[in-house]
Amino acid sequence: QLQLQESGPGLVKPSETLSLTCSVSGVSISNSDYYWAWIRQPPGKGLEWIGTIYYSGETFYSPSLKSRPTLSVDTSRNQFSLNLTSVTAADTAVYYCARIRGLGGTLHLDSWGQGIRVPVSS
Amino acid sequence: DIQMTQSPSSLSASIGDRVTISCRASHSISNYVNWYQLKPGRAPKLLISGASSLESGVPSRFSGSGSGTDFALTISSLHPEDFATYYCQQSYSTQWTFGQGTKVEI
Repeated sequence: QLQLQESGPGLVKPSETLSLTCSVSGVSISNSDYYWAWIRQPPGKGLEWIGTIYYSGETFYSPSLKSRPTLSVDTSRNQFSLNLTSVTAADTAVYYCARIRGLGGTLHLDSWGQGIRVPVSS
Repeated sequence: DIQMTQSPSSLSASIGDRVTISCRASHSISNYVNWYQLKPGRAPKLLISGASSLESGVPSRFSGSGSGTDFALTISSLHPEDFATYYCQQSYSTQWTFGQGTKVEI
């Protein structure tokens, strides 16, 4: 059974780098049928797509985050990660990792982690 | 960027009501629209992919329709567990975007 679990710090200070990891179980992250993604939801706001990564390292990012995010894959650990630099209070959010399915058709986020709440505060 | 404009932002409904949520894309996106359900403290759930394909395990009271720029999610008869927030999302471009969300309340 597929499971995704986010992990990371409980608090990040302004101007620092937010680093999160998504541990995947039940499927190999190297499976060529899937992409992997990070999405976030600030308090009281809607969902925001952050970026997408393929096991090969191919990445796509939200232009609204202005080159601050970096996604990476660790196939040996079956994990993928998000680094978000120069954070501000506006980056306070629940961060979700998710699997993307549907290659050859309409891509969609078919499985999500529970989410991790990350406040940015001094 | 492709903007997704969702309406209404919230609605009040009763058990058994038929509910329709709309989503309009700023450019034609064929059928590259997905719908998700969010409940506090729980992992988001995929309901519909490709505008109208019901995800396995999702009750048949949920349905999706539309193509091009106008899309809709319909719940034919509201159940108590359907009170949640719903989001549309486009995967037509490599830069994905979500609608603003629709909160379905009693």
